[in-house]
Amino acid sequence: QLQLQESGPGLVKPSETLSLTCTVSGDSISSSNFYWGWIRQPPGKGLEWIGSIYHSGSTYYNPSLKSRVTISVDASKNQFSLKVSSVTAADTAVYYCARQKPYYDILTGTHYYMDVWGKGTTVTVSS
Amino acid sequence: DIQMTQSPSTLSASVGDRVTITCRASQSISSWLAWYQQKPGKAPKLLIYKASSLESGVPSRFSGSGSGTEFTLTISSLQPDDFATYYCQQYNSYWWTFGQGTKVEIK
Repeated sequence: QLQLQESGPGLVKPSETLSLTCTVSGDSISSSNFYWGWIRQPPGKGLEWIGSIYHSGSTYYNPSLKSRVTISVDASKNQFSLKVSSVTAADTAVYYCARQKPYYDILTGTHYYMDVWGKGTTVTVSS
Repeated sequence: DIQMTQSPSTLSASVGDRVTITCRASQSISSWLAWYQQKPGKAPKLLIYKASSLESGVPSRFSGSGSGTEFTLTISSLQPDDFATYYCQQYNSYWWTFGQGTKVEIK
């Protein structure tokens, strides 16, 4: 059964870099056709997509965060990672990783939706 | 980006009620829409994908419809376990966006 588990520091100081890792079990990142994504949810607010990565390393980022975000994959460890630089209190949130499943359409190509999520990890930005 | 707008923001209902939540996209997304359920302190759970396809294991009282820019999630008979927040999400392109959420509360 596929499981995703986020890990990383729960407290980050302002202006520093937030680093999280998502460990995938029950499937191999490198042998599948899925994208792997990061999503966050500030306290009491809605969901915001951060970015996604394919096992080849191809990435897509939310334009509003692109200048500060890097997502990478380590297939040997079956993990993918998130870095957000120059964090502020506005980056305080629960961070989720998720698998993005492909749906192929003959006319418009492949579309990916999030079908399996990790439990989430809380990151607080504070001095 | 494609903006997703849900209505209502909050909905009060009783067990057994038929509940409908609406999601509108700022431009056509064909049928590339998913619905998620989220309970407090938990991760979102996929209910519906491609606007109307029920995810495996999800009760049949949940259904989705719509295409283009207007979509609905319907719960045919609300159960105690269904009180939660529901989000729509478009995946028409490689820039995924969510609605702001609809909280279904006990009346």
